[in-house]
Amino acid sequence: SAVISQKPSRDICQRGTSLTIQCQVDSQVTMMFWYRQQPGQSLTLIATANQGSEATYESGFVIDKFPISRPNLTFSTLTVSNMSPEDSSIYLCSAGQGGTEAFFGQGTRLTVV
Amino acid sequence: RKEVEQDPGPFNVPEGATVAFNCTYSNSASQSFFWYRQDCRKEPKLLMSVYSSGNEDGRFTAQLNRASQYISLLIRDSKLSDSATYLCVVNELGSSASKIIFGSGTRLSIRP
Repeated sequence: SAVISQKPSRDICQRGTSLTIQCQVDSQVTMMFWYRQQPGQSLTLIATANQGSEATYESGFVIDKFPISRPNLTFSTLTVSNMSPEDSSIYLCSAGQGGTEAFFGQGTRLTVV
Repeated sequence: RKEVEQDPGPFNVPEGATVAFNCTYSNSASQSFFWYRQDCRKEPKLLMSVYSSGNEDGRFTAQLNRASQYISLLIRDSKLSDSATYLCVVNELGSSASKIIFGSGTRLSIRP
């Protein structure tokens, strides 16, 4: 298993600003993902964070809005850029090896005012 | 068509009842399958993996039908503590690498 530390755990931000969320895994993992979970909804995959290269974004998500870094096999960041109230959500980092289950950070609860 | 589809529920059943959840997936190249449980305001936690031969863990039984691209979860003798959202999860092959896709979740509420 993997232990994932995600921070901040919550934040309240002004619209138009940006927030960077950090995800640290206690072991090297092949795959890291970023999800969004809006109130009462399931998890939506934003992108796969690729080590040493650009992230792979899902339909509806773009790099300019959600830039992602993954400098090594244990760390990734997600930035929510130029925030609006519609970006208020829980953002979850996930990690795993190919074909196995994913482990999650405790999430970042973002409120944009 | 969604990549992973689940009945959203909610299911409201009495304690001790048996309840079954179903899930279908669209990508026949999907590699592995899981059921996760998510409690309110918590992150998802792995409940069990799903194997082609079917597998059982106490009161929980999971089954996979690759031909029909269908996954199920059966909970027997349900407890109040089983109340949660159950997420069907598929690890599928994307264009360049595998990715983990979640179903919309099925809400289960167990009443005394």
